Parts: sequence; structure tokens; C-alpha cells
Amino acid sequence: RKEVEQDPGPFNVPEGATVAFNCTYSNSASQSFFWYRQDCRKEPKLLMSVYSSGNEDGRFTAQLNRASQYISLLIRDSKLSDSATYLCVVTSPPTGTASKLTFGTGTRLQVTL
Amino acid sequence: DTAVSQTPKYLVTQMGNDKSIKCEQNLGHDTMYWYKQDSKKFLKIMFSYNNKELIINETVPNRFSPKSPDKAHLNLHINSLELGDSAVYFCASSSLAGTEAFFGQGTRLTVV
Repeated sequence: RKEVEQDPGPFNVPEGATVAFNCTYSNSASQSFFWYRQDCRKEPKLLMSVYSSGNEDGRFTAQLNRASQYISLLIRDSKLSDSATYLCVVTSPPTGTASKLTFGTGTRLQVTL
Repeated sequence: DTAVSQTPKYLVTQMGNDKSIKCEQNLGHDTMYWYKQDSKKFLKIMFSYNNKELIINETVPNRFSPKSPDKAHLNLHINSLELGDSAVYFCASSSLAGTEAFFGQGTRLTVV
């Protein structure tokens, strides 16, 4: 089983739609979780951290379900500029000098007119 | 100012050659990484350094040799390049291992 799994998509949605991505992780001891965004031929950039209580940043909402070991990202009122690949990222093992960010394969989002 | 910068941005070379990629971060971070993104876009860690010390080596062939002269620099030297080495190589840094990482713009390596 992969450490971090995501549906690769693509998700094709019209502008203004709400879209949700899920991600599952295998290491129950993981402590830190992130969503990154990667545009075509660019580097990954942090979109938001994911906190246990869930958190929101404008149109973006991230949720963490530790019991089921999944993370979600909800994008409301999609914009054309949201078109990108969204990478689910998990820290494994738990924070320490040997910790690393493990990336999912990414979910591709295409927002259309 | 670019936080994490790596050079060159593009590298085209023949099989069997030796090449280096350089990375520098001005964020004062203690941890630096090399990631490889293959043609299927999967981003996989290769190495992690913490304060110039190698912490993670993810079963990368020993043709790949990272070097960290100081905690702000992490270079990657590749010997005897093979076709399968073609990929985008990203350098990244974080204040602590496993925390939010900042990436360089990537080096697109093509081996012909």
C-alpha cells in the first residue's frame, strides 16, 4: 500500500463549482499534514496546512480524519486559476530529524468556463 | 529574493556524462532535501540533510552523491548519467525536518 494515496483525476469542473479531493495515508503515527499545489512545469507550493480541528483559508477548507486516516480539501466557487495539481502531503515518520514529507501522486483539477 | 534557488534550470546531456545541480536557500533553514519528479509526476524524496549531515538516503543509486558544504547549500552530483535519470529534480528546505518545505524552481534534466 502506498504511503499516501490520491485519486489522480482529472476533475473537470465548471467555474463556480464546489469540488472536493480526498487523500488517505497509511502511517497512523503521522503528525503533520499539508496540501500543496503544483502548476504545470512549476515547483510545488504550500496551499495550506491541515489541522486536527479542520481549517479554512478563504475558499479552501481542509479536514483531517485521524480515525479513518484521510485528509480532504474542499474548494468552493472554483476559479479558472484554481486549475492545477493538488498534492496531499504527510510527514513520516513523526517529526524528528529523519522526518520527511511524503507526497501523494496528486489530483489534477481543471476548471472550465 | 528567491528563497530556494537551484541551477541550472535546464540540463541536457549525453548518457555517461557527469553533471551537478546546485541549490541554495536563504531562509535560514536547517533541513534541505532533494526530490525527484518522474514522467508520471510522482514526487519522491531522494536525500535529506539536517545541518550538513545526511539524514535520509532513500535507496538512491550511489551514482548520485549529495554534498552540503554548509546548511544553506545542498548540491547534487550525478555520475555516469543514464536515460532513466531524466526527470525534474527539486531542491527544498524546511526549518525542521518534516515541516512545511519550500521548493526551488526545479532542474529539468534530459539525458539523451
